[in-house]
Amino acid sequence: SQQGEEDPQALSIQEGENATMNCSYKTSINNLQWYRQNSGRGLVHLILIRSNEREKHSGRLRVTLDTSKKSSSLLITASRAADTASYFCAHSRSNDYKLSFGAGTTVTVRA
Amino acid sequence: ETGVTQTPRHLVMGMTNKKSLKCEQHLGHNAMYWYKQSAKKPLELMFVYNFKEQTENNSVPSRFSPECPNSSHLFLHLHTLQPEDSALYLCASSLTGTGGGAYGYTFGSGTRLTVV
Repeated sequence: SQQGEEDPQALSIQEGENATMNCSYKTSINNLQWYRQNSGRGLVHLILIRSNEREKHSGRLRVTLDTSKKSSSLLITASRAADTASYFCAHSRSNDYKLSFGAGTTVTVRA
Repeated sequence: ETGVTQTPRHLVMGMTNKKSLKCEQHLGHNAMYWYKQSAKKPLELMFVYNFKEQTENNSVPSRFSPECPNSSHLFLHLHTLQPEDSALYLCASSLTGTGGGAYGYTFGSGTRLTVV
């Protein structure tokens, strides 16, 4: 399978804490992306990191990429109740516009 | 709204019914996708269209029939479905740069399908 895998499957944290989730994949990639899905809705693109980048920030999001380990992590700092959602990583191979998605990490932020 | 509109939002159909899901985007994207999302499973890519041409069919049963009349519209025609086909069906669009380009995929809100 070309699909990625997220870890953990579920995460529950207190508001204000940081949330970290990991993603592993099996092929060589061109870029890796993270998406958020609120319950029963579509996925929303959060951030893209290219294979030649190691770290990227966007607001309270920090993504790292380690191509030697074929893994990525997403850190959400100072979490809020509105961050409660499922988070998916997706990757694309070189010259391929198709993305392969993992099963996601469900994050619950407790008030 | 994300720019990708899916209708209907919810659909309940019997196993002998015929129905269609509709997806529309006016983002100037030239690739469109159908995904199936079942609980606790990775998103399953069903069909891919690039410039109206079907480029991928991931061994989807023939009871699902896609149609892409132009780069802005995508349909999924359903007939004689099974209860295990109940799921959230997501449409997405993108540019055809690697991984959908710098902004990735834009998803619709999905159609929650229940087969009874």
